[in-house]
Amino acid sequence: DAGVTQSPTHLIKTRGQQVTLRCSPKSGHDTVSWYQQALGQGPQFIFQYYEEEERQRGNFPDRFSGHQFPNYSSELNVNALLLGDSALYLCASSLAGRQARGGTEAFFGQGTRLTVV
Amino acid sequence: AQKITQTQPGMFVQEKEAVTLDCTYDTSDPSYGLFWYKQPSSGEMIFLIYQGSYDQQNATEGRYSLNFQKARKSANLVISASQLGDSAMYFCAMRAIPGYSSASKIIFGSGTRLSIRP
Repeated sequence: DAGVTQSPTHLIKTRGQQVTLRCSPKSGHDTVSWYQQALGQGPQFIFQYYEEEERQRGNFPDRFSGHQFPNYSSELNVNALLLGDSALYLCASSLAGRQARGGTEAFFGQGTRLTVV
Repeated sequence: AQKITQTQPGMFVQEKEAVTLDCTYDTSDPSYGLFWYKQPSSGEMIFLIYQGSYDQQNATEGRYSLNFQKARKSANLVISASQLGDSAMYFCAMRAIPGYSSASKIIFGSGTRLSIRP
């Protein structure tokens, strides 16, 4: 049973460019959340997708957008990249129904390390 | 607003000793869950243990136990008999438990870097 998979694992982009990161959730999961983790800090919540809609959003500008597909996979898009967008981007998947009761189903992928130069 | 505080930026522990990682939290949500994650240098966030705010007993998972003191709003992680492979960043995290189907976001602390000495 595959866990959460993210692609690519590493990425180098130039300031001002656009980037798309991809996430496939754990089998059976229907909710995908994205987090940004700057070096030496804890992850910060970007947004969450459930039933192909953005359900919650953290304190991130509109340059950060996303999408969820019918197969529950998700993309994170960042436009007009800034040097400060360099970070590890983590995807987490879960099952909405069980999450409503709390629980332990927030599984993370290995992350995509984005470097903006 | 929710907040997680981890006051130990780094810790060094001798192999086979027990170690306690501190975590305090603040929330106005009536129901919430507390997590601990391990993050090795590879970057993956590995789930260790979960405690619900409504759970009467402290959670345990193998060598990991969560010392939950609700009145003091603390959720310390205890690792018994530490091993060299335990060297990593450890994050305390929290999530509200909503009454609707969609999940709430996870709030993370700043982490503690644990180093195990042979």
